[in-house]
Amino acid sequence: DAKTTQPTSMDCAEGRAANLPCNHSTISGNEYVYWYRQIHSQGPQYIIHGLKNNETNEMASLIITEDRKSSTLILPHATLRDTAVYYCIVRVAAGSWGKFQFGAGTQVVVTP
Amino acid sequence: SQTIHQWPATLVQPVGSPLSLECTVEGTSNPNLYWYRQAAGRGLQLLFYSVGIGQISSEVPQNLSASRPQDRQFILSSKKLLLSDSGFYLCAWTRQGGNEQFFGPGTRLTVL
Repeated sequence: DAKTTQPTSMDCAEGRAANLPCNHSTISGNEYVYWYRQIHSQGPQYIIHGLKNNETNEMASLIITEDRKSSTLILPHATLRDTAVYYCIVRVAAGSWGKFQFGAGTQVVVTP
Repeated sequence: SQTIHQWPATLVQPVGSPLSLECTVEGTSNPNLYWYRQAAGRGLQLLFYSVGIGQISSEVPQNLSASRPQDRQFILSSKKLLLSDSGFYLCAWTRQGGNEQFFGPGTRLTVL
Protein backbone atom coordinates (compact mmCIF):
# COMPACT_ATOMS: atom_id res chain seq x y z
CA ASP A 1 0.00 0.00 0.00
CA ALA A 2 1.13 3.53 -0.81
CA LYS A 3 2.37 5.81 1.94
CA THR A 4 0.82 9.19 2.71
CA THR A 5 2.22 12.49 3.96
CA GLN A 6 0.17 14.86 6.10
CA PRO A 7 0.99 17.99 8.08
CA THR A 8 1.56 17.30 11.74
CA SER A 9 -0.99 19.80 12.97
CA MET A 10 -3.29 22.63 11.97
CA ASP A 11 -5.67 25.02 13.66
CA CYS A 12 -9.07 26.07 12.43
CA ALA A 13 -11.56 28.66 13.65
CA GLU A 14 -14.98 27.42 14.62
CA GLY A 15 -17.50 27.90 11.81
CA ARG A 16 -14.85 28.15 9.11
CA ALA A 17 -13.96 25.47 6.59
CA ALA A 18 -11.04 23.20 7.45
CA ASN A 19 -8.96 21.98 4.51
CA LEU A 20 -6.74 19.02 5.33
CA PRO A 21 -4.13 18.10 2.70
CA CYS A 22 -2.67 14.67 2.03
CA ASN A 23 0.06 13.66 -0.41
CA HIS A 24 0.08 10.14 -1.84
CA SER A 25 2.37 10.45 -4.85
CA THR A 26 2.98 6.68 -5.14
CA ILE A 27 -0.68 5.70 -5.18
CA SER A 28 -1.56 2.82 -7.51
CA GLY A 29 -4.44 2.80 -9.94
CA ASN A 30 -6.50 0.40 -7.83
CA GLU A 31 -5.93 2.15 -4.49
CA TYR A 32 -8.58 4.25 -2.82
CA VAL A 33 -8.07 7.26 -0.56
CA TYR A 34 -9.68 6.94 2.87
CA TRP A 35 -10.05 9.43 5.67
CA TYR A 36 -10.59 8.56 9.31
CA ARG A 37 -10.50 10.67 12.43
CA GLN A 38 -9.78 9.84 16.05
CA ILE A 39 -11.12 11.86 18.90
CA HIS A 40 -9.02 11.58 22.03
CA SER A 41 -9.24 8.18 23.76
CA GLN A 42 -11.69 6.78 21.24
CA GLY A 43 -11.34 4.43 18.30
CA PRO A 44 -10.97 5.96 14.83
CA GLN A 45 -14.12 6.85 12.94
CA TYR A 46 -14.61 6.51 9.20
CA ILE A 47 -15.23 9.80 7.38
CA ILE A 48 -15.14 9.28 3.63
CA HIS A 49 -13.32 7.52 0.81
CA GLY A 50 -12.88 7.89 -2.94
CA LEU A 51 -11.04 6.59 -5.98
CA LYS A 52 -10.75 9.49 -8.43
CA ASN A 53 -13.99 11.45 -8.36
CA ASN A 54 -14.72 14.01 -5.69
CA GLU A 55 -16.97 12.70 -2.96
CA THR A 56 -19.29 14.35 -0.45
CA ASN A 57 -21.27 13.04 2.49
CA GLU A 58 -22.85 14.47 5.60
CA MET A 59 -19.51 14.80 7.34
CA ALA A 60 -17.09 16.08 4.73
CA SER A 61 -16.01 16.47 1.12
CA LEU A 62 -13.05 14.74 -0.49
CA ILE A 63 -11.27 16.42 -3.38
CA ILE A 64 -8.80 14.23 -5.30
CA THR A 65 -6.46 15.79 -7.85
CA GLU A 66 -6.65 14.60 -11.42
CA ASP A 67 -3.29 12.82 -11.18
CA ARG A 68 -4.45 11.29 -7.84
CA LYS A 69 -1.18 12.18 -6.18
CA SER A 70 -2.83 14.31 -3.53
CA SER A 71 -6.19 14.95 -1.94
CA THR A 72 -7.90 17.37 0.42
CA LEU A 73 -10.47 16.63 3.06
CA ILE A 74 -12.83 19.53 3.62
CA LEU A 75 -14.85 20.01 6.79
CA PRO A 76 -17.24 22.71 5.59
CA HIS A 77 -18.16 24.29 8.93
CA ALA A 78 -15.78 23.16 11.65
CA THR A 79 -17.13 22.78 15.17
CA LEU A 80 -15.30 22.25 18.44
CA ARG A 81 -16.29 18.57 18.25
CA ASP A 82 -14.23 18.23 15.08
CA THR A 83 -11.03 18.55 17.12
CA ALA A 84 -9.30 15.23 16.46
CA VAL A 85 -6.43 13.51 14.68
CA TYR A 86 -7.27 13.02 11.01
CA TYR A 87 -5.73 10.11 9.13
CA CYS A 88 -5.35 9.84 5.36
CA ILE A 89 -4.89 6.24 4.17
CA VAL A 90 -4.57 4.64 0.76
CA ARG A 91 -5.37 1.00 0.21
CA VAL A 92 -6.86 -1.42 -2.22
CA ALA A 93 -10.60 -1.54 -1.58
CA ALA A 94 -11.46 -5.09 -2.51
CA GLY A 95 -9.84 -8.27 -1.33
CA SER A 96 -10.13 -10.01 1.98
CA TRP A 97 -6.51 -9.35 2.77
CA GLY A 98 -6.89 -5.58 2.68
CA LYS A 99 -5.09 -3.76 5.47
CA PHE A 100 -5.36 -0.22 6.75
CA GLN A 101 -1.99 1.37 7.52
CA PHE A 102 -2.46 4.39 9.74
CA GLY A 103 0.29 7.03 9.78
CA ALA A 104 0.74 9.81 12.32
CA GLY A 105 -2.14 11.87 10.94
CA THR A 106 -2.88 15.59 11.34
CA GLN A 107 -3.88 16.95 14.73
CA VAL A 108 -6.68 19.43 14.04
CA VAL A 109 -7.63 21.87 16.78
CA VAL A 110 -10.79 23.88 16.28
CA THR A 111 -10.81 27.05 18.35
CA PRO A 112 -13.75 29.24 19.34
CA SER B 1 -26.95 -3.40 13.10
CA GLN B 2 -23.37 -4.36 13.76
CA THR B 3 -21.54 -3.69 17.00
CA ILE B 4 -18.04 -4.41 18.22
CA HIS B 5 -17.15 -4.99 21.84
CA GLN B 6 -13.83 -4.99 23.64
CA TRP B 7 -13.02 -5.83 27.20
CA PRO B 8 -11.75 -4.93 29.57
CA ALA B 9 -11.88 -1.17 29.03
CA THR B 10 -8.83 -0.58 31.19
CA LEU B 11 -6.22 -2.89 32.63
CA VAL B 12 -3.19 -2.48 34.86
CA GLN B 13 -0.81 -5.43 34.87
CA PRO B 14 2.64 -6.08 36.33
CA VAL B 15 5.62 -6.81 34.10
CA GLY B 16 5.88 -10.52 33.38
CA SER B 17 2.19 -11.25 33.86
CA PRO B 18 0.00 -12.79 31.13
CA LEU B 19 -2.49 -10.87 29.02
CA SER B 20 -5.77 -11.69 27.34
CA LEU B 21 -7.84 -9.06 25.57
CA GLU B 22 -11.06 -10.04 23.90
CA CYS B 23 -12.94 -8.58 20.95
CA THR B 24 -16.29 -9.71 19.62
CA VAL B 25 -18.37 -8.51 16.70
CA GLU B 26 -22.15 -8.83 16.48
CA GLY B 27 -24.49 -8.53 13.56
CA THR B 28 -22.24 -9.74 10.77
CA SER B 29 -20.54 -12.92 9.63
CA ASN B 30 -17.08 -13.76 8.32
CA PRO B 31 -15.60 -10.33 9.05
CA ASN B 32 -11.96 -9.39 8.63
CA LEU B 33 -10.62 -8.66 12.11
CA TYR B 34 -7.72 -6.47 13.18
CA TRP B 35 -5.71 -5.64 16.30
CA TYR B 36 -3.96 -2.28 16.54
CA ARG B 37 -1.84 -0.72 19.27
CA GLN B 38 -1.45 2.99 19.87
CA ALA B 39 1.29 4.23 22.16
CA ALA B 40 0.69 7.53 23.94
CA GLY B 41 0.71 10.41 21.45
CA ARG B 42 1.46 8.13 18.51
CA GLY B 43 -0.37 6.73 15.49
CA LEU B 44 -1.94 3.31 15.18
CA GLN B 45 0.30 0.30 14.65
CA LEU B 46 -1.29 -2.73 12.99
CA LEU B 47 -0.41 -5.83 15.01
CA PHE B 48 -2.48 -8.66 13.58
CA TYR B 49 -5.26 -9.24 11.10
CA SER B 50 -7.43 -12.24 10.34
CA VAL B 51 -9.51 -13.13 7.31
CA GLY B 52 -11.11 -16.21 8.86
CA ILE B 53 -11.20 -18.64 11.76
CA GLY B 54 -7.72 -19.80 12.66
CA GLN B 55 -6.11 -17.53 10.04
CA ILE B 56 -3.84 -14.95 11.65
CA SER B 57 -1.29 -12.69 9.99
CA SER B 58 1.28 -10.88 12.10
CA GLU B 59 2.55 -7.49 11.07
CA VAL B 60 5.36 -6.93 13.57
CA PRO B 61 7.57 -9.28 15.61
CA GLN B 62 6.73 -9.04 19.27
CA ASN B 63 5.80 -11.00 22.35
CA LEU B 64 2.10 -10.77 21.56
CA SER B 65 -0.03 -13.35 19.78
CA ALA B 66 -3.55 -13.42 18.41
CA SER B 67 -6.14 -16.11 17.98
CA ARG B 68 -9.53 -16.38 16.34
CA PRO B 69 -11.33 -19.34 17.90
CA GLN B 70 -14.72 -18.33 16.51
CA ASP B 71 -15.88 -16.38 13.47
CA ARG B 72 -16.59 -13.18 15.38
CA GLN B 73 -14.12 -13.47 18.24
CA PHE B 74 -10.57 -12.16 18.19
CA ILE B 75 -8.23 -12.51 21.15
CA LEU B 76 -4.91 -10.79 21.82
CA SER B 77 -2.59 -12.54 24.24
CA SER B 78 0.81 -12.45 25.82
CA LYS B 79 2.56 -14.93 28.10
CA LYS B 80 4.76 -12.28 29.72
CA LEU B 81 4.06 -8.57 29.46
CA LEU B 82 6.80 -6.00 28.93
CA LEU B 83 6.75 -2.35 29.93
CA SER B 84 6.71 -1.48 26.23
CA ASP B 85 3.40 -3.30 25.82
CA SER B 86 1.60 -0.41 27.49
CA GLY B 87 -0.79 1.38 25.17
CA PHE B 88 -4.26 1.68 23.77
CA TYR B 89 -5.35 -1.52 22.04
CA LEU B 90 -8.00 -1.27 19.38
CA CYS B 91 -9.91 -4.04 17.66
CA ALA B 92 -11.53 -3.38 14.31
CA TRP B 93 -13.49 -5.21 11.65
CA THR B 94 -14.38 -4.88 7.99
CA ARG B 95 -16.72 -6.77 5.75
CA GLN B 96 -15.03 -9.05 3.24
CA GLY B 97 -14.08 -6.66 0.46
CA GLY B 98 -15.55 -3.77 2.42
CA ASN B 99 -14.46 -0.16 2.32
CA GLU B 100 -15.10 0.93 5.88
CA GLN B 101 -13.28 -0.23 8.98
CA PHE B 102 -15.22 -0.16 12.24
CA PHE B 103 -13.35 0.24 15.50
CA GLY B 104 -14.15 -0.91 19.00
CA PRO B 105 -13.93 1.32 22.09
CA GLY B 106 -10.41 0.11 22.90
CA THR B 107 -8.59 -1.23 25.93
CA ARG B 108 -6.09 0.95 27.74
CA LEU B 109 -3.31 -1.26 29.09
CA THR B 110 -0.75 -0.05 31.59
CA VAL B 111 2.15 -2.35 32.40
CA LEU B 112 3.97 -1.45 35.62
